[in-house]
Amino acid sequence: GAGVSQSPRYKVAKRGQDVALRCDPISGHVSLFWYQQALGQGPEFLTYFQNEAQLDKSGLPSDRFFAERPEGSVSTLKIQRTQQEDSAVYLCASHLGLAGGSSYNEQFFGPGTRLTVL
Amino acid sequence: SQKIEQNSEALNIQEGKTATLTCNYTNYSPAYLQWYRQDPGRGPVFLLLIRENEKEKRKERLKVTFDTTLKQSLFHITASQPADSATYLCALDMGSNYQLIWGAGTKLIIKP
Repeated sequence: GAGVSQSPRYKVAKRGQDVALRCDPISGHVSLFWYQQALGQGPEFLTYFQNEAQLDKSGLPSDRFFAERPEGSVSTLKIQRTQQEDSAVYLCASHLGLAGGSSYNEQFFGPGTRLTVL
Repeated sequence: SQKIEQNSEALNIQEGKTATLTCNYTNYSPAYLQWYRQDPGRGPVFLLLIRENEKEKRKERLKVTFDTTLKQSLFHITASQPADSATYLCALDMGSNYQLIWGAGTKLIIKP
């Protein structure tokens, strides 16, 4: 398919476990975003990549959250020592152009990964 | 800091009528304002973008207005259909960086 894909779609973790969430953006898309979405809320920005460079990680809630995009395509969001408050849907989005003054390009979202921490 | 308000209560509309959703913001006007649709279990899907200097934008049955004096955008769906039932999110692009500031969304229910 030509869209953004994410895996797994659902993840249940015991508190204290590490998890890794994967995002496959649309091929050729330069910009990649990770968002966290709580039930009934809009997406909250976590981090932004331009190709392989992580230009902004100001939205990551704590140092337990880590994201990478080593080859400028697939990205992984890792959460260490998960806590119950980490339970949410994690959305990945990409867009074609370079962001920064021109982010009017529409963002293409994946279906999200629903993380439940018990 | 910039805050966005969308109706938190679900909006129930009879099929065939026009649905109007509101997005209000508090501080300075964004360079662009985007509207997205989100269905349960799915990511948001882009619908329309309107620029700061545009008053109105249309796409098929959709219409978006942008009033920088009122600090408000209205999103209209004419001749609404049950398939239009979803949550609609507005997002502000301040134009200075890549971040979008998102509203919480309004759930729209179109009754047949």
